[in-house]
Amino acid sequence: AQSVTQLGSHVSVSEGALVLLRCNYSSSVPPYLFWYVQYPNQGLQLLLKYTSAATLVKGINGFEAEFKKSETSFHLTKPSAHMSDAAEYFCAVSGSRNEKLTFGTGTRLTIIP
Amino acid sequence: GAVVSQHPSWVICKSGTSVKIECRSLDFQATTMFWYRQFPKQSLMLMATSNEGSKATYEQGVEKDKFLINHASLTLSTLTVTSAHPEDSSFYICSARGTVGASYEQYFGPGTRLTVT
Repeated sequence: AQSVTQLGSHVSVSEGALVLLRCNYSSSVPPYLFWYVQYPNQGLQLLLKYTSAATLVKGINGFEAEFKKSETSFHLTKPSAHMSDAAEYFCAVSGSRNEKLTFGTGTRLTIIP
Repeated sequence: GAVVSQHPSWVICKSGTSVKIECRSLDFQATTMFWYRQFPKQSLMLMATSNEGSKATYEQGVEKDKFLINHASLTLSTLTVTSAHPEDSSFYICSARGTVGASYEQYFGPGTRLTVT
Protein backbone atom coordinates (compact mmCIF):
# COMPACT_ATOMS: atom_id res chain seq x y z
CA ALA A 1 0.00 0.00 0.00
CA GLN A 2 1.04 3.57 -0.58
CA SER A 3 0.65 6.66 1.57
CA VAL A 4 1.85 10.24 1.70
CA THR A 5 2.40 12.62 4.58
CA GLN A 6 2.38 16.35 4.08
CA LEU A 7 4.09 18.19 6.91
CA GLY A 8 2.45 21.49 7.68
CA SER A 9 -1.22 21.97 6.95
CA HIS A 10 -0.63 25.68 6.54
CA VAL A 11 2.45 27.47 5.21
CA SER A 12 2.86 31.23 4.92
CA VAL A 13 5.64 32.90 2.95
CA SER A 14 6.31 36.46 1.87
CA GLU A 15 5.95 37.42 -1.75
CA GLY A 16 9.28 36.81 -3.46
CA ALA A 17 10.46 34.32 -0.85
CA LEU A 18 11.22 30.65 -1.33
CA VAL A 19 8.30 28.25 -1.22
CA LEU A 20 8.92 24.81 0.29
CA LEU A 21 6.08 22.34 0.74
CA ARG A 22 7.01 18.99 2.23
CA CYS A 23 5.84 15.55 1.18
CA ASN A 24 7.07 12.19 2.38
CA TYR A 25 5.83 8.95 0.91
CA SER A 26 5.60 5.32 1.81
CA SER A 27 5.47 2.74 -0.92
CA SER A 28 6.21 -0.95 -1.21
CA VAL A 29 7.05 -0.52 -4.89
CA PRO A 30 8.72 2.24 -6.91
CA PRO A 31 6.23 5.06 -6.65
CA TYR A 32 4.64 7.46 -9.06
CA LEU A 33 4.44 10.83 -7.30
CA PHE A 34 2.37 13.88 -8.11
CA TRP A 35 1.78 17.41 -6.91
CA TYR A 36 -1.58 19.03 -7.57
CA VAL A 37 -2.85 22.55 -6.88
CA GLN A 38 -6.43 23.41 -6.03
CA TYR A 39 -7.86 26.92 -6.10
CA PRO A 40 -11.04 27.63 -4.10
CA ASN A 41 -14.10 25.80 -5.38
CA GLN A 42 -12.19 24.27 -8.26
CA GLY A 43 -10.88 20.88 -9.21
CA LEU A 44 -7.24 19.82 -9.16
CA GLN A 45 -4.57 20.89 -11.61
CA LEU A 46 -1.43 18.83 -12.07
CA LEU A 47 1.73 20.77 -11.24
CA LEU A 48 4.28 18.04 -11.87
CA LYS A 49 4.89 14.32 -11.68
CA TYR A 50 7.69 11.86 -11.00
CA THR A 51 7.61 8.60 -12.90
CA SER A 52 11.08 7.10 -12.39
CA ALA A 53 12.86 9.26 -14.94
CA ALA A 54 14.82 12.33 -13.79
CA THR A 55 14.81 12.85 -10.04
CA LEU A 56 14.47 16.62 -10.39
CA VAL A 57 11.13 17.34 -11.95
CA LYS A 58 10.12 20.72 -13.30
CA GLY A 59 6.48 21.64 -13.48
CA ILE A 60 4.24 24.50 -14.40
CA ASN A 61 4.24 27.99 -12.84
CA GLY A 62 7.91 27.75 -11.86
CA PHE A 63 7.50 24.86 -9.43
CA GLU A 64 9.84 21.92 -9.19
CA ALA A 65 10.27 18.88 -6.96
CA GLU A 66 13.09 16.50 -6.23
CA PHE A 67 12.60 12.79 -5.67
CA LYS A 68 14.90 11.56 -2.91
CA LYS A 69 14.63 7.84 -2.44
CA SER A 70 16.93 7.75 0.58
CA GLU A 71 14.68 10.25 2.37
CA THR A 72 11.41 8.98 0.83
CA SER A 73 10.63 12.60 0.05
CA PHE A 74 9.21 14.59 -2.83
CA HIS A 75 9.23 18.19 -1.62
CA LEU A 76 7.80 20.96 -3.79
CA THR A 77 9.73 24.20 -4.21
CA LYS A 78 9.53 27.52 -6.00
CA PRO A 79 12.34 30.07 -5.77
CA SER A 80 10.15 33.17 -5.61
CA ALA A 81 6.55 33.16 -4.41
CA HIS A 82 3.89 35.09 -6.25
CA MET A 83 0.53 36.19 -4.92
CA SER A 84 -1.18 33.92 -7.44
CA ASP A 85 0.47 30.89 -5.81
CA ALA A 86 -1.93 31.12 -2.87
CA ALA A 87 -3.89 27.86 -3.00
CA GLU A 88 -4.16 24.36 -1.56
CA TYR A 89 -1.46 21.91 -2.61
CA PHE A 90 -1.81 18.14 -2.54
CA CYS A 91 0.87 15.50 -2.85
CA ALA A 92 -0.29 12.13 -4.20
CA VAL A 93 1.20 8.70 -4.79
CA SER A 94 0.35 5.60 -6.75
CA GLY A 95 2.18 2.33 -6.89
CA SER A 96 1.83 1.59 -10.55
CA ARG A 97 0.55 3.01 -13.78
CA ASN A 98 -3.01 1.92 -13.30
CA GLU A 99 -3.32 2.12 -9.56
CA LYS A 100 -5.50 4.64 -7.82
CA LEU A 101 -4.07 7.83 -6.36
CA THR A 102 -3.68 8.29 -2.63
CA PHE A 103 -3.66 11.92 -1.57
CA GLY A 104 -2.01 13.66 1.32
CA THR A 105 -3.99 15.89 3.63
CA GLY A 106 -2.99 19.03 1.76
CA THR A 107 -1.05 22.20 2.56
CA ARG A 108 -2.66 25.61 2.33
CA LEU A 109 -0.15 28.14 1.02
CA THR A 110 -0.66 31.78 1.97
CA ILE A 111 1.41 34.52 0.39
CA ILE A 112 2.09 37.62 2.48
CA PRO A 113 2.31 40.85 0.45
CA GLY B 1 -6.59 18.96 -24.50
CA ALA B 2 -7.67 16.59 -21.72
CA VAL B 3 -10.61 18.60 -20.44
CA VAL B 4 -13.07 17.14 -17.97
CA SER B 5 -16.33 18.89 -17.20
CA GLN B 6 -18.86 18.41 -14.44
CA HIS B 7 -22.49 19.38 -14.32
CA PRO B 8 -23.93 20.97 -12.34
CA SER B 9 -21.21 22.97 -10.64
CA TRP B 10 -23.49 23.66 -7.70
CA VAL B 11 -26.74 22.06 -6.60
CA ILE B 12 -29.08 22.37 -3.64
CA CYS B 13 -31.60 19.64 -2.96
CA LYS B 14 -34.04 18.77 -0.23
CA SER B 15 -33.40 15.93 2.16
CA GLY B 16 -34.78 12.65 0.83
CA THR B 17 -34.48 13.53 -2.84
CA SER B 18 -31.92 12.24 -5.33
CA VAL B 19 -29.46 14.24 -7.35
CA LYS B 20 -27.38 13.27 -10.37
CA ILE B 21 -23.95 14.67 -11.16
CA GLU B 22 -22.44 14.27 -14.62
CA CYS B 23 -18.77 13.96 -15.47
CA ARG B 24 -17.71 14.24 -19.09
CA SER B 25 -14.39 13.95 -20.89
CA LEU B 26 -14.66 16.53 -23.64
CA ASP B 27 -11.75 15.74 -25.95
CA PHE B 28 -10.65 12.22 -25.12
CA GLN B 29 -12.06 8.82 -24.33
CA ALA B 30 -12.11 8.01 -20.65
CA THR B 31 -11.67 4.32 -20.09
CA THR B 32 -11.59 4.85 -16.33
CA MET B 33 -13.29 7.48 -14.23
CA PHE B 34 -12.88 8.16 -10.54
CA TRP B 35 -15.23 9.86 -8.10
CA TYR B 36 -13.88 11.68 -5.07
CA ARG B 37 -15.48 13.42 -2.14
CA GLN B 38 -13.90 16.37 -0.39
CA PHE B 39 -15.08 17.87 2.88
CA PRO B 40 -14.19 21.50 3.69
CA LYS B 41 -10.49 22.00 4.28
CA GLN B 42 -9.82 18.28 3.88
CA SER B 43 -8.22 16.03 1.33
CA LEU B 44 -9.85 14.08 -1.46
CA MET B 45 -11.26 10.71 -0.55
CA LEU B 46 -11.73 8.23 -3.37
CA MET B 47 -15.29 6.91 -3.43
CA ALA B 48 -15.25 4.62 -6.42
CA THR B 49 -13.55 3.68 -9.65
CA SER B 50 -15.52 2.93 -12.78
CA ASN B 51 -14.44 1.39 -16.06
CA GLU B 52 -16.57 1.92 -19.13
CA GLY B 53 -19.17 -0.79 -19.46
CA SER B 54 -18.39 -2.36 -16.08
CA LYS B 55 -19.76 -2.04 -12.59
CA ALA B 56 -18.02 0.48 -10.38
CA THR B 57 -15.61 -0.61 -7.69
CA TYR B 58 -16.40 1.12 -4.43
CA GLU B 59 -13.95 1.94 -1.67
CA GLN B 60 -14.47 0.45 1.73
CA GLY B 61 -17.13 2.29 3.67
CA VAL B 62 -18.86 3.82 0.66
CA GLU B 63 -22.49 2.73 0.30
CA LYS B 64 -22.96 1.54 -3.25
CA ASP B 65 -26.74 1.71 -3.00
CA LYS B 66 -26.56 5.32 -1.93
CA PHE B 67 -23.96 6.51 -4.41
CA LEU B 68 -24.91 5.02 -7.75
CA ILE B 69 -22.25 5.28 -10.42
CA ASN B 70 -22.86 4.65 -14.10
CA HIS B 71 -20.16 4.73 -16.77
CA ALA B 72 -22.20 3.95 -19.82
CA SER B 73 -19.97 5.53 -22.43
CA LEU B 74 -16.34 6.47 -22.95
CA THR B 75 -17.11 10.12 -22.34
CA LEU B 76 -19.71 10.13 -19.60
CA SER B 77 -19.97 8.92 -16.03
CA THR B 78 -22.72 9.84 -13.60
CA LEU B 79 -22.92 9.83 -9.83
CA THR B 80 -26.40 9.72 -8.33
CA VAL B 81 -26.78 10.47 -4.66
CA THR B 82 -29.97 8.73 -3.64
CA SER B 83 -32.16 9.80 -0.74
CA ALA B 84 -29.74 12.57 0.08
CA HIS B 85 -29.29 13.78 3.64
CA PRO B 86 -27.50 16.83 5.05
CA GLU B 87 -24.44 14.73 5.86
CA ASP B 88 -24.06 14.06 2.13
CA SER B 89 -23.35 17.74 1.58
CA SER B 90 -19.86 17.91 0.16
CA PHE B 91 -17.71 18.80 -2.83
CA TYR B 92 -17.69 15.95 -5.35
CA ILE B 93 -14.87 15.78 -7.89
CA CYS B 94 -14.48 13.38 -10.76
CA SER B 95 -11.36 12.53 -12.71
CA ALA B 96 -10.78 10.61 -15.91
CA ARG B 97 -7.99 8.53 -17.35
CA GLY B 98 -7.86 7.25 -20.88
CA THR B 99 -6.66 7.86 -24.40
CA VAL B 100 -4.69 11.01 -23.76
CA GLY B 101 -1.43 11.66 -21.99
CA ALA B 102 0.28 8.91 -20.05
CA SER B 103 -1.77 5.91 -19.12
CA TYR B 104 -1.54 6.74 -15.43
CA GLU B 105 -2.51 10.41 -15.66
CA GLN B 106 -5.83 11.50 -14.22
CA TYR B 107 -7.52 14.68 -15.40
CA PHE B 108 -9.80 16.32 -12.88
CA GLY B 109 -13.13 18.02 -13.31
CA PRO B 110 -13.92 21.36 -11.64
CA GLY B 111 -16.09 19.76 -8.97
CA THR B 112 -19.74 19.89 -7.93
CA ARG B 113 -20.80 21.37 -4.64
CA LEU B 114 -23.82 19.58 -3.21
CA THR B 115 -25.84 21.12 -0.41
CA VAL B 116 -28.66 19.08 1.10
CA THR B 117 -31.19 21.05 3.15
